[in-house]
Amino acid sequence: QVQLVQSGAEVKKPGASVKVSCKASGYTFTSYYMHWVRQAPGQGLEWMGIINPSGGSTSYAQKFQGRVTMTRDTSTSTVYMELSSLRSEDTAVYYCARGAVDYWGQGTLVTVSS
Amino acid sequence: SYELTQPSSVSVSPGQTARITCSGDVLAKKYARWFQQKPGQAPVLVIYKDSERPSGIPERFSGSSSGTTVTLTISGAQVEDEADYYCYSAADNNPVVFGGGTKLTVL
Repeated sequence: QVQLVQSGAEVKKPGASVKVSCKASGYTFTSYYMHWVRQAPGQGLEWMGIINPSGGSTSYAQKFQGRVTMTRDTSTSTVYMELSSLRSEDTAVYYCARGAVDYWGQGTLVTVSS
Repeated sequence: SYELTQPSSVSVSPGQTARITCSGDVLAKKYARWFQQKPGQAPVLVIYKDSERPSGIPERFSGSSSGTTVTLTISGAQVEDEADYYCYSAADNNPVVFGGGTKLTVL
C-alpha cells in the first residue's frame, strides 16, 4: 500500500534552517510528483511547491521563492524540503502529498521559537 | 495568481444535506478536488475531477461544477462528517491553490 512517512518534529531558532524528509513506499517513486503543503496552527492549507522525483525539477510558490529548496534521493525514494531563514510565522505542520494529492504524509510539526 | 473562495462555515443537523461551495475563475477551465480534514489529522481526498469519488469514500459525498463554482454535497450528513473541507485547483504554469477552508458543523 502507498505510504508517505515523514521525519519527526523539529524545534528551531529564528534564522535557522529546517530539512524535512518524506519517504515513499508502495508505488514507483519516480512516477508521481510530490507536493509540499503546510498548515499553521488554526489556519488553512498552504501550498509550498512541487518536485518531480524523476528529473528533480521543481516549482515553488512565489511566497517561498529563495527560501525553500526541494530535493530528492531516488536511491531511498525520499524527498526533502528545506526551509531557510526561519521566523516564528513558519511554525506549522508540514505535509508531503503525492502528485494527485491522493496520499499524504502524517505531517511534521516545525516550531520556530527563540 | 488566482484565488478560491469558500464560506467559512456551514452548519446542518444530522441527516440533512450539507453543501459547500468553492468559487474561482480557474474553475471554469480546471478541475477541482475536495479534501476533508479532521483535527490533528492529515487531509483526505474525498472528490477529484470535480465529481469523482476515490475508493473508500462514502457515496453520500458528491461533487458538481457549474461555471466558476464547484460544490461539495454531503447527502444525509453524519456527525462523523464534521470537519474542515478544502477545495483545491491548479492551472497550467500556475501554482496550486487551496480554498480558505469551510468548517462543517453537524449537530
